[in-house]
Amino acid sequence: SQKIEQNSEALNIQEGKTATLTCNYTNYSPAYLQWYRQDPGRGPVFLLLIRENEKEKRKERLKVTFDTTLKQSLFHITASQPADSATYLCALKASSASKIIFGSGTRLSIRP
Amino acid sequence: DTAVSQTPKYLVTQMGNDKSIKCEQNLGHDTMYWYKQDSKKFLKIMFSYNNKELIINETVPNRFSPKSPDKAHLNLHINSLELGDSAVYFCASSQESFGGGHRETQYFGPGTRLLVL
Repeated sequence: SQKIEQNSEALNIQEGKTATLTCNYTNYSPAYLQWYRQDPGRGPVFLLLIRENEKEKRKERLKVTFDTTLKQSLFHITASQPADSATYLCALKASSASKIIFGSGTRLSIRP
Repeated sequence: DTAVSQTPKYLVTQMGNDKSIKCEQNLGHDTMYWYKQDSKKFLKIMFSYNNKELIINETVPNRFSPKSPDKAHLNLHINSLELGDSAVYFCASSQESFGGGHRETQYFGPGTRLLVL
C-alpha cells in the first residue's frame, strides 16, 4: 500500500544545532515533494518544493534533499533558533495522482 | 490582507445538528480544497474544486456537501453531525490543480475547530 511517513513524531534539539527531519514514502512514483510548517492554531505554510529529478534545494537556513532510490527526503534547518519550533509536514504529489498527500508531521522543539 | 479566510474559527455544536463552514480566497486561484486534520495532526484531503467544478471527492460520508458558488468561495455543509466529525477543517487554495510544482502549492486558511458534543 502507499504510505508517506515522518518517522519522528517529535524532535528536541539545542539552539544553534542543525535539525534534520525525515520523510519516507513507499509505493509512490513522485513528481515532487513539498515541506510545510504548521504553528499551533494555524494552517500549514509552504516552505520548499523539490522535484523528483532534483537532489537538493536551499532557501536561507533551510535545505531539502530528495533521494528517489532510498525513497526519502531530508529537511534540514541549520543554526536552529527557538522561533523554528513548529510542526513540519512533508507532502508528496505522485506523477499519476490528482492530489497531494501529507505526512503526519514532526513536532520540532528548539531549546535555548 | 488575508489570503484564505474561513468562518467560523470555532464551532461547538450538538450531535445531530447541521452546520456550515465558509471559505474565501482573494489570491485569484483556480482551485480550492477542504482538508480534515484529526487529533493526531494527520491532514487528509476531502474535496477539491477547480473553477467551481468538483475534481476530487474522497471517501467522505455524504453528510458532507461542498458548494462552490464561484471560484473564490468554497463552503462546506455538514448534516447530522457526529462525534467523530470533531476535528480541525482547513480550506486551502492553489493556482492550479495540475500545473505541476509551485502552481499546485497549497495556501491554507487558519482552520475551523469543530467540536461535536
